[in-house]
Amino acid sequence: NAGVTQTPKFQVLKTGQSMTLQCAQDMNHEYMSWYRQDPGMGLRLIHYSVGAGITDQGEVPNGYNVSRSTTEDFPLRLLSAAPSQTSVYFCASRWNLLHYGYTFGSGTRLTVV
Amino acid sequence: AQKITQTQPGMFVQEKEAVTLDCTYDTSDPSYGLFWYKQPSSGEMIFLIYQGSYDQQNATEGRYSLNFQKARKSANLVISASQLGDSAMYFCAMSVTSGTYKYIFGTGTRLKVLA
Repeated sequence: NAGVTQTPKFQVLKTGQSMTLQCAQDMNHEYMSWYRQDPGMGLRLIHYSVGAGITDQGEVPNGYNVSRSTTEDFPLRLLSAAPSQTSVYFCASRWNLLHYGYTFGSGTRLTVV
Repeated sequence: AQKITQTQPGMFVQEKEAVTLDCTYDTSDPSYGLFWYKQPSSGEMIFLIYQGSYDQQNATEGRYSLNFQKARKSANLVISASQLGDSAMYFCAMSVTSGTYKYIFGTGTRLKVLA
């Protein structure tokens, strides 16, 4: 099925560890984003990309890195995990035109202890 | 700066009745899009409906309609004939065409449909 594939679905990290959340889409979408969802705060934009080789920061970029070497892949790297990064992470993609909605991945529930 | 505000943290509605979920927005960009998403308890995010800032008519998708009042900067979601399966979190979102192409979400409204 076409869509956005996120891995892993669940992850527990120790403080200070690093890891990469993987995101891949097969719809040839130009626009990809990473959000984190925390109770009472909705979805907050971490980083986004409007095409291969182009990335930019969102509202809450600190502690995260991204790269976009291909149209399909948009990994999110946690450099040194902190308990404040405990959250549900969503990758999403869409066409880079105003009227298109996102297709979301199934989410990654990350716990940092 | 762009901003989306959803002031109703939670709402109840009786099955088969209509319900309106509020959303107000703020942007200085003349061209923007407004969106609603549904998040059931299973956690996935589902795109429901879109309204463009230049659209003359309110958007509709099945039982969903978007009550767009540009002067008041509101984009309320109306669900007609509520069903038990409509119980979920609902998020309003906005995207603008200029600047940095950011796409932002509100804090959400949790809807519970009562049998």
